Amino acid sequence: DTEVTQTPKHLVMGMTNKKSLKCEQHMGHRAMYWYKQKAKKPPELMFVYSYEKLSINESVPSRFSPECPNSSLLNLHLHALQPEDSALYLCASSQDPGDRDPGANVLTFGAGSRLTVL
Amino acid sequence: ELKVEQNPLFLSMQEGKNYTIYCNYSTTSDRLYWYRQDPGKSLESLFVLLSNGAVKQEGRLMASLDTKARLSTLHITAAVHDLSATYFCAVLNTDKLIFGTGTRLQVFP
Repeated sequence: DTEVTQTPKHLVMGMTNKKSLKCEQHMGHRAMYWYKQKAKKPPELMFVYSYEKLSINESVPSRFSPECPNSSLLNLHLHALQPEDSALYLCASSQDPGDRDPGANVLTFGAGSRLTVL
Repeated sequence: ELKVEQNPLFLSMQEGKNYTIYCNYSTTSDRLYWYRQDPGKSLESLFVLLSNGAVKQEGRLMASLDTKARLSTLHITAAVHDLSATYFCAVLNTDKLIFGTGTRLQVFP
């Protein structure tokens, strides 16, 4: 299995809703990432989990709450979002962020979850 | 703060022509990546460049890295329509992969 699977593919939510995005990989990768991508813009890093621990939080608002239940799963819990949070949310994984082998840092991306906040 | 800039931002080129996309970055890094993104799709890894002078080729695409100039290039040879996509370079900086601004390539007959 060489894929990163994200669900749901599309999500529409109101500003008072609570929802979650899910990401799963079975490649044995030890680092997992959340990126946010607005239309015609590059992906922006949100969070990095390394060995199931949060290692990087790019000053993301608390209405986004990441969770890594185990080494294969990554969730992004959403609460009280704003319309400007509408974007494509990409999950990615890599083999081992601390490994000097450059191949260990090649990120494999999921297909993304397209979020619309009304 | 690391900045990664690409130019051009948009490139419209005729099939069969050659062109180069440039990626400049602002701080030292010994790893540079190129990704491709088709409209509405995810990102696909193309190349990993490790050291000064590194060159990699796959089909009609060739990437190179000059770490002293903090510059990477993606050269397109004899473009075909299937190469139409957005191309991102990305630089690894303290465990963060920071993406360039992206180059949207459109190849027409």
